[in-house]
Formats: sequence, structure tokens, C-alpha cells
Amino acid sequence: AQSVSQHNHHVILSEAASLELGCNYSYGGTVNLFWYVQYPGQHLQLLLKYFSGDPLVKGIKGFEAEFIKSKFSFNLRKPSVQWSDTAEYFCAVKNGGGNKLTFGTGTQLKVEL
Amino acid sequence: EAGVVQSPRYKIIEKKQPVAFWCNPISGHNTLYWYRQNLGQGPELLIRYENEEAVDDSQLPKDRFSAERLKGVDSTLKIQPAELGDSAVYLCASSLGGTFQETQYFGPGTRLLVL
Repeated sequence: AQSVSQHNHHVILSEAASLELGCNYSYGGTVNLFWYVQYPGQHLQLLLKYFSGDPLVKGIKGFEAEFIKSKFSFNLRKPSVQWSDTAEYFCAVKNGGGNKLTFGTGTQLKVEL
Repeated sequence: EAGVVQSPRYKIIEKKQPVAFWCNPISGHNTLYWYRQNLGQGPELLIRYENEEAVDDSQLPKDRFSAERLKGVDSTLKIQPAELGDSAVYLCASSLGGTFQETQYFGPGTRLLVL
């Protein structure tokens, strides 16, 4: 069964710091990759997604992620975080031929002023 | 465009009581998903519907959980009887047609507390 690992469970950053959240998955075939974000009191929202093509994908609010197939990774990055980026971030993977979306355990990001 | 609607948002019940959650997907979305999210974990799929048909219910604890999607639109997830371990957030999501390259859109969830 496929699995998704998010190694950083809690991250605390100061405003303007750079962010990188790790995501690794176990499936070796074709995958679709997603990052979802859940702001306090709100529902899960799509941040960005990778289906095919350019492995560097850009999402909303200045976030980007890079798909590195050889490393089975899809790390999320933002060059300068804001206080409003405080949220929980989930990496999710859908494997080829299936329709099941498997989530990681999430990373709680707190951005301090 | 309205998003996925769920009700109730919160529910507190005593163990052994029944409980039901309702979901209305985004208009035109044929595929509907129910997930459970335990504290500190990511969502886990319980059941997936393609129109009225449940096409993946392998993770649904069928001894106490049931779901239906009449007329291929709204859906209801029921637990009877509820156990302490059922305390979680129950999320509904929908997508256009359930194909591989599709995005799932999530509702706000129902937070269940079983006492």
C-alpha cells in the first residue's frame, strides 16, 4: 500500500523566513501529487498540484513545490512566509490507475511576527 | 460557486447512540468521498461514490458504519452505535468524475465527539 511521509510535524518560523516542508511517498509508478492547506477554522483547500510536465509547480499565495521522481519527493517551498501562512499543510498522493488519495500526517506551521 | 456543504458542523453524543452526517457536493460533481480525520492525522478514505454506486468502501467499518447516496447527489454517513474511538472529523469531498487527474474539493467537516 502506498504511504506518504511528512517528516516535519511542527514548524515555527519568523515572518520573512524561507519555508521548506518535506513530503516523501512510497509508490513507484505514475503519481499525482497535491499539497492541501487548512487554515485555522477553515476547511482543506488545494494549494497546488502536480499531474505531469514541469516538475516545478506553482500554487496560490506564492507557494511552489518540486517533484523529484528519483527521490520520491514533493517538497513544498515558499521564499518568504507571512503570519497569515500559519496553518496545517498536508501532502497527498494519488497513484496511477487508482483513485485513492493518500494523505500524510500533516505539518503544523506557525509563523511568528 | 458553492462549495461542498456538510451538516452538522459539530456533534456531541454518548457512546452507543446513533449519529448521521449529511453532505451536499459541488453541483455537477459525480464523485463523492467520505473521509475520517483523527486528531493529528491526515484524512483517510472511508468510501467513494461514483454517482449512486459505492465503488470503494474497503475502509468502511461495515459493522457500524453505513452510507448512502440516493439520486447521485446528496449523501449521508451513519454510525450506529457510536463508540468512543469514532471521535474524529468526518470530511466529505467531491470531484467531477473520479478520474486519475482530478482534484478533490473538501467540505468543512463534521467534528464528532463521542462521550
